[in-house]
Parts: sequence; C-alpha cells; structure tokens
Amino acid sequence: EVQLVQSGAEVKKPGESLKISCKGSAETFINYWIGWVRQMPGKGLEWMGIIYPGDSDTRYSPSFQGQVTISADKSISTAYLQWSSLKASDTAMYYCARQTSSISRFDFWGQGTLVTVSS
Amino acid sequence: QSVLTQPPSVSGAPGQRVTISCTGSSSNIGAGYDVHWYQQVPGTAPKLLIYNNNNRPSGVAVRFSGSKSGTSASLAITGLQAEDEADYYCQSYDSSLSTSGVFGTGTKVTVL
Repeated sequence: EVQLVQSGAEVKKPGESLKISCKGSAETFINYWIGWVRQMPGKGLEWMGIIYPGDSDTRYSPSFQGQVTISADKSISTAYLQWSSLKASDTAMYYCARQTSSISRFDFWGQGTLVTVSS
Repeated sequence: QSVLTQPPSVSGAPGQRVTISCTGSSSNIGAGYDVHWYQQVPGTAPKLLIYNNNNRPSGVAVRFSGSKSGTSASLAITGLQAEDEADYYCQSYDSSLSTSGVFGTGTKVTVL
C-alpha cells in the first residue's frame, strides 16, 4: 500500500521560517513526482508545485513561485515544503501527493499538515 | 482565482443522479489536457475519484463516472447515496500558467 506520511501540525509566528516534510517509500521517490497542495480554511484546493526526486526537477504554479521552496532528499524518501518568512495568510492545511508524471493526477495523498501562523 | 469553474453546490435525493460541471478554456481542458476528479469528505484528505477524464481507480464505486467534451468536463453520480455527501474538485493543467496544475473551484454535494 502506498503511504505518504506528513510531519505534524505547526504553530508559528509571522516572519519565522518553516520546513514541513512528506515521507514515502523508496519506490515512490524514485519513479514518481511529489506535489504539494494548499487548502486555506474553508476554501478549495490550490496546486502549488511538484518535484521529481530522482533529479530534483521542480515546477511551480506562478501563484507560488518565489513564495515557497519545494525540495526532496531521495536518499531518505522525503519531500519538503519550505517558507523563509511566514505570513498570516500562509495559515492552511498542506497536502503532499504522488503523481505518475509531470502532468498527471495525484493518485495517493498524505494526511495533511496544518500550519497556523499567528502573532 | 481558479481557471476551472464548478457550481458551488448541487443536491439530490438518495437514488437520484447528479452532475457536476467543470468549465475551462482553450489553454487547459480545450488544449487536450486530461481532467481528474477528487472527492473530499470534510476533515480528510482528498481522494482520487476519476482520472484521465473517465477512468475509475480500483475501489471506486461504479456509480461515479466522468466525461469530457471541448473545454468542459463533467462528473456524474448515478444512484446518489448518503456517503457521497462531500466536496468534489476537478483538476487539469494549463499551458498559460507554465503548464502548472489547476484545480476547479469545488462543488459541495448535499444528499437531501
């Protein structure tokens, strides 16, 4: 069974940095893309970007380019979503999910990481 | 603001058929990109429901079906059940956005 396990909920202050993680199997991180999806409170899903851990090829939605950094360490089968300076508007649930290609569906999802940014 | 538009809500009685539209444009659905559908029960992660326009993953009930035509796609639920009450999202890709993914605005399905 494919599993993506995300790191736990975070409470941060504006201006702080943060890196959340998504861990899967070695097979997933060699052969698939991993994407990140944002869901703000009471709102819909937003496609943020994807990474191919095999060679670190990364694609961002224009809405998130420059706002976050997506990375991966295939040696430990883990992908990351990172902020250098959080804003209150970054408060959201963040999901990682697996893709079979760069323009395909998300077939398996992590459980989500809730990020709360508040002073 | 999403480039894929869905109705905010649809409702139906148990056993009825409901459809959810996903309207795009010539740079996404109309450009030939596949459409995928997800179901999200409140408080849980989304689940893939339909992929590549009209394919069901293993384990998804046959009452869910998808179609695509021109710049739009549709999800149909035939024989609505109480457990189908959830939010539904379409997803595709858009060449005007550096070929990044896009989700629809989402539709809340209510079982009366």
